[in-house]
Amino acid sequence: DAGVIQSPRHEVTEMGQEVTLRCKPISGHNSLFWYRQTMMRGLELLIYFNNNVPIDDSGMPEDRFSAKMPNASFSTLKIQPSEPRDSAVYFCASSFPLTGGPSSYNEQFFGPGTRLTVL
Amino acid sequence: GQQLNQSPQSMFIQEGEDVSMNCTSSSIFNTWLWYKQDPGEGPVLLIALYKAGELTSNGRLTAQFGITRKDSFLNISASIPSDVGIYFCAGANTDKLIFGTGTRLQVFP
Repeated sequence: DAGVIQSPRHEVTEMGQEVTLRCKPISGHNSLFWYRQTMMRGLELLIYFNNNVPIDDSGMPEDRFSAKMPNASFSTLKIQPSEPRDSAVYFCASSFPLTGGPSSYNEQFFGPGTRLTVL
Repeated sequence: GQQLNQSPQSMFIQEGEDVSMNCTSSSIFNTWLWYKQDPGEGPVLLIALYKAGELTSNGRLTAQFGITRKDSFLNISASIPSDVGIYFCAGANTDKLIFGTGTRLQVFP
């Protein structure tokens, strides 16, 4: 298995431009998570999907951010318009959903990340 | 958003030394996890703990789920240069993970 695939690996753009980050989860996983990592705030969950449906988007910073999962093998995170403070590494992770019971947990597998720089 | 407190923030040790780091929370978690992140990569799961008081080993790594459910510890024995990286704890009650602030480990030969 190729693991979680993210593209692009690096993105440099100018303030005001639209940015689209892409993620292909591990085949068979039906939970998908978008995280943002910065020095100041660490790893933050932005949004996650179960079976292509957004479950919790409370971590999405503002309306400039949107995420979609049109099918089980693809998700996008879009920033429009981008700002310098959006510069960060964005990770996608996937897992099987909880199988039930408080002691169950399914490991989240992380992609290599997209390093975004907004000038 | 919520973050867990990890300590120490960074460690500089000699190869062969043992390492201890911990993670505390004001909230109770049902699951504690420890991840390692290498430069330019995503976090990779090292150990998962599911029961209060549980002690689990993975090679030279040992982790414990605190009895109060509000803390966890990770020990690395006989450190080697490839242990270098950032170690994150994470707590979970549902699908969501809440990550710690990270411990940056540097190992000198």
